[in-house]
Amino acid sequence: DAKTTQPNSMESNEEEPVHLPCNHSTISGTDYIHWYRQLPSQGPEYVIHGLTSNVNNRMASLAIAEDRKSSTLILHRATLRDAAVYYCILSTGNTPLVFGKGTRLSVIA
Amino acid sequence: NAGVTQTPKFQVLKTGQSMTLQCAQDMNHEYMSWYRQDPGMGLRLIHYSVGAGITDQGEVPNGYNVSRSTTEDFPLRLLSAAPSQTSVYFCASRETPGILYGYTFGSGTRLTVV
Repeated sequence: DAKTTQPNSMESNEEEPVHLPCNHSTISGTDYIHWYRQLPSQGPEYVIHGLTSNVNNRMASLAIAEDRKSSTLILHRATLRDAAVYYCILSTGNTPLVFGKGTRLSVIA
Repeated sequence: NAGVTQTPKFQVLKTGQSMTLQCAQDMNHEYMSWYRQDPGMGLRLIHYSVGAGITDQGEVPNGYNVSRSTTEDFPLRLLSAAPSQTSVYFCASRETPGILYGYTFGSGTRLTVV
């Protein structure tokens, strides 16, 4: 499986934008970039995914580099509820998700 | 529409006991997976299924059995529990073809083996 690299932890102030980076230099042409988050004591929650173009939904935006070797999950206005572990995962869609260690996001009031 | 339902939510087992963790989904999803999450760690894939009658091993399958006789249910069996299987277990499902949608996860089963 293709690997991703994320910072172990990040910190953000409440109501400010957050940019969570992910490197995936060995991504293949059929790999989708998925983001999930896990709030404390809960199961993971789907956030967003994309292939080549930037994507927006009600939760976040996904910015994908032109060479697809990196991506950034953007939370436009962090709230205390966004404090979670964020996982960047590559998957072709025909294989199950394989989780790494993710980035632990802390949000400061 | 209940999503992914896992039972029980909590369980304590003695070493050597067997049990089945239940996972059911009512979304007619073909893909289902089982993960375990040890304290402070990410999720690790145990077994997965791409449809009824089809299962395959994940990263850490030893000590666990699965079967998929219906689309709705994907039980995980521990044949002889060991303390190393103390963990939180998550079940997930996804529609197929699934690129357009993400996985839906259950709320987990917290298992302690003493």
